[in-house]
Amino acid sequence: DGGITQSPKYLFRKEGQNVTLSCEQNLNHDAMYWYRQDPGQGLRLIYYSQIVNDFQKGDIAEGYSVSREKKESFPLTVTSAQKNPTAFYLCASSMMGQPQHFGDGTRLSIL
Amino acid sequence: AQSVTQLGSHVSVSEGALVLLRCNYSSSVPPYLFWYVQYPNQGLQLLLKYTTGATLVKGINGFEAEFKKSETSFHLTKPSAHMSDAAEYFCAVRTDSGGYQKVTFGTGTKLQVIP
Repeated sequence: DGGITQSPKYLFRKEGQNVTLSCEQNLNHDAMYWYRQDPGQGLRLIYYSQIVNDFQKGDIAEGYSVSREKKESFPLTVTSAQKNPTAFYLCASSMMGQPQHFGDGTRLSIL
Repeated sequence: AQSVTQLGSHVSVSEGALVLLRCNYSSSVPPYLFWYVQYPNQGLQLLLKYTTGATLVKGINGFEAEFKKSETSFHLTKPSAHMSDAAEYFCAVRTDSGGYQKVTFGTGTKLQVIP
């Protein structure tokens, strides 16, 4: 079955550490997105990519980085510059003009 | 600029009662509108979408929503609530500009279904 796979489901970060969240899709979608979800705040866009080797900052990109070397993969790195990284992170993908499909998320916590 | 407002962060209904979740949007261009459902520790699942055409949209699990341009609303309804409907619901608006889909989500409404 086609879908979006996010791993790991739970992740813990130590102070000063960078961590990378994985997102893989086999839907052959061109566009991929990373969102951050905090209680009561809905989803906020971190980064998005419409094609391979190209990506754009979203509304809250500071402290995060991404890469898009392959169509099916869009990893997100939470750097030590992100001072409040505890959140639920959602990856999504879509074809142009179609609704976004979401993965099951990664919950990041601080040790 | 576009925005989405969901009235009521928490809504409680009795099992079998009408479900009404409110969503108002603002958009400078004709919008595409969506409702998503999220169960605990899971991603978002598309319930229904409005793009063009018929303003009453039917979705999965017996949900439907009506696009009212004059009221800039897209409220979600279900005639009879089921225990399995307990979840968080998100309204979203999408506009397409310059080849990019800008999607803005509301802050969500948690639905509690009381037996």
